[in-house]
Amino acid sequence: NAGVTQTPKFQVLKTGQSMTLQCAQDMNHNSMYWYRQDPGMGLRLIYYSASEGTTDKGEVPNGYNVSRLNKREFSLRLESAAPSQTSVYFCASMRLGNTEAFFGQGTRLTVV
Amino acid sequence: GQQLNQSPQSMFIQEGEDVSMNCTSSSIFNTWLWYKQDPGEGPVLLIALYKAGELTSNGRLTAQFGTTRKDSFLNISASIPSDVGIYFCAGHRGSQGNLIFGKGTKLSVKP
Repeated sequence: NAGVTQTPKFQVLKTGQSMTLQCAQDMNHNSMYWYRQDPGMGLRLIYYSASEGTTDKGEVPNGYNVSRLNKREFSLRLESAAPSQTSVYFCASMRLGNTEAFFGQGTRLTVV
Repeated sequence: GQQLNQSPQSMFIQEGEDVSMNCTSSSIFNTWLWYKQDPGEGPVLLIALYKAGELTSNGRLTAQFGTTRKDSFLNISASIPSDVGIYFCAGHRGSQGNLIFGKGTKLSVKP
């Protein structure tokens, strides 16, 4: 049982480049989330999708876009990467009516 | 935005000691959760609390949902080296689909 799978695990980008972080869950969860983790800042919500077909901004959405491709997949796109987006990105999912989120292993992104 | 104040920021303890950390908020939460993050991994759920005053154990871990619904604590008894990691509290208000996280407590255990 894979749970929440994120790809890639590591990425280095040059300033201005674009890329998409992929996330897939096999637990039939309705809600999916993207967080970023920076030293001393905890986990901050970027975007979330409460159900297939809906997406909403979280605490730090600027510079990002998301797509809820289907119930399983939720991608995060950086259109023009900036050094301030250097971070560890986590995808999470949650079952309908439940508040226990399950996390992927993270994507470590460096923007130079 | 909403904030959870988690303390302490870091702890250095001897193997076998007990550990206590807590989380407070100015807002009421309907659910409190405690996660542990090992180096290079994603957070893993340890304990979930759903009722004010609830006390729940998971092995050597015990967590409580404060009666005011604005705080929670996590205790670890008889710490061992594999307890090393970052512990996060998280709150959920119920009406929104978001978890709000504290900034974490980094635990180091000396053998």
